[in-house]
Amino acid sequence: KAGVTQTPRYLIKTRGQQVTLSCSPISGHRSVSWYQQTPGQGLQFLFEYFSETQRNKGNFPGRFSGRQFSNSRSEMNVSTLELGDSALYLCASSLIRSTDTQYFGPGTRLTVL
Amino acid sequence: AQTVTQSQPEMSVQEAETVTLSCTYDTSENNYYLFWYKQPPSRQMILVIRQEAYKQQNATENRFSVNFQKAAKSFSLKISDSQLGDTAMYFCAFPMNRDDKIIFGKGTRLHILP
Repeated sequence: KAGVTQTPRYLIKTRGQQVTLSCSPISGHRSVSWYQQTPGQGLQFLFEYFSETQRNKGNFPGRFSGRQFSNSRSEMNVSTLELGDSALYLCASSLIRSTDTQYFGPGTRLTVL
Repeated sequence: AQTVTQSQPEMSVQEAETVTLSCTYDTSENNYYLFWYKQPPSRQMILVIRQEAYKQQNATENRFSVNFQKAAKSFSLKISDSQLGDTAMYFCAFPMNRDDKIIFGKGTRLHILP
């Protein structure tokens, strides 16, 4: 099976812009989780989607949003970008629950100037 | 609050040596999985090993094994016969509760020296 794919791999944006990141899970996986990884804060949970519904959400402002499509592909959107949003954004898929084994994508490196 | 702590930010060992990475956690759950994930310099996070909390037997995957002490809430990872390819950031993780999100530790950066 193909692994988790994320596009784009790298992004450079300026403050105030918005960005959309995409994640395609492993075929058959219905749970997709998103994480923000920074050197200072480590891995922080953003949200999890299952069957097109947000099932869990982390402690991030409303500028961070996401959605999941019927084929389990997921997108996350960050509006009004801030310098502090610069990070590696990881997507992970699992069969049913995010508390099962997760399979991670390569990540999208977002730089906000 | 449910937490996971990795007390060793960085470690270095010689190739072929054995190294143990520590992790302690706190949860009110009884049945759950605990995980060790590895993130090599290429950045793709992969599962190293998984332990089911209700099993007393420690999980083993080739050179990787865990020492799971449920009462002490300790979950360490032992890497035997370490190889250069083991150089990576290692994260301990467990779920906040059965149907909730995973919490990751801050990670241990492991360097395997030739």
